[in-house]
Amino acid sequence: DTGVSQNPRHKITKRGQNVTFRCDPISEHNRLYWYRQTLGQGPEFLTYFQNEAQLEKSRLLSDRFSAERPKGSFSTLEIQRTEQGDSAMYLCASSLMASNTDTQYFGPGTRLTVL
Amino acid sequence: SQQGEEDPQALSIQEGENATMNCSYKTSINNLQWYRQNSGRGLVHLILIRSNEREKHSGRLRVTLDTSKKSSSLLITASRAADTASYFCATDGRGAQKLVFGQGTRLTINP
Repeated sequence: DTGVSQNPRHKITKRGQNVTFRCDPISEHNRLYWYRQTLGQGPEFLTYFQNEAQLEKSRLLSDRFSAERPKGSFSTLEIQRTEQGDSAMYLCASSLMASNTDTQYFGPGTRLTVL
Repeated sequence: SQQGEEDPQALSIQEGENATMNCSYKTSINNLQWYRQNSGRGLVHLILIRSNEREKHSGRLRVTLDTSKKSSSLLITASRAADTASYFCATDGRGAQKLVFGQGTRLTINP
C-alpha cells in the first residue's frame, strides 16, 4: 500500500498521560500536514512540514502539542498531559510540492479518546 | 475556525437520483477541493478545481466554481448506496498551504 499510513488507529488514554502518533506519508511527498477533527466538524489545520522544516503552526497547537519530522520522511505528533478536550480524530496528509495544484492525500487517522 | 459553509448540512435521497451540495467560502483562493469521508475513516480526495476554472468533471462528479460569489457546488449524478458519506469542501488561500474545511454535508443514499 503506497498511501499515507497512521499508527495507531485508535488510542485510549487517561487524562494527564502523554501520547504519540506516527504518520508515514506517501514516499516521494515532501509536504506533510496534521489536522484535527472533532465529531460533526470538518478537519482543522494544526501544522505542516516541508521536508524536515516545520513551516506553519496553528494557534490550536498549544504548548502541550509538539510535532517533528526529523528526516523529512515520517512525522510524529505528541500530546503531553492530555485533556478530555483533546479527544478527536488526528489526521495526517501529504502532498508533493510540484505545482500550484497541491493535492493533499489523507491517511486513515488516529482516533484519540481521553478518559 | 472554519472558512467554508456547506449547504445543506444533511441530504437524503433515493438511489439513482442526483445529489447537489454547495459550499461557500470567505477569502480569495488558489484551489478548491472536494473530499469524501466515510464514517470514522480518513478523507478521500475527489476533485480539485483551480481558481481560474469554472467547471470540472470526473466520472459521475461535476464541480462548479464561481469566484465572484465565492461558492462551489458538487453534483453527484446517478447516486449509489456507496456514495453515502460526508462531503467536505476545502480551500487553500493564496500563499497558504493549509486547507480550510467546511463543516461538511452528510449524504445518505436510500436503496
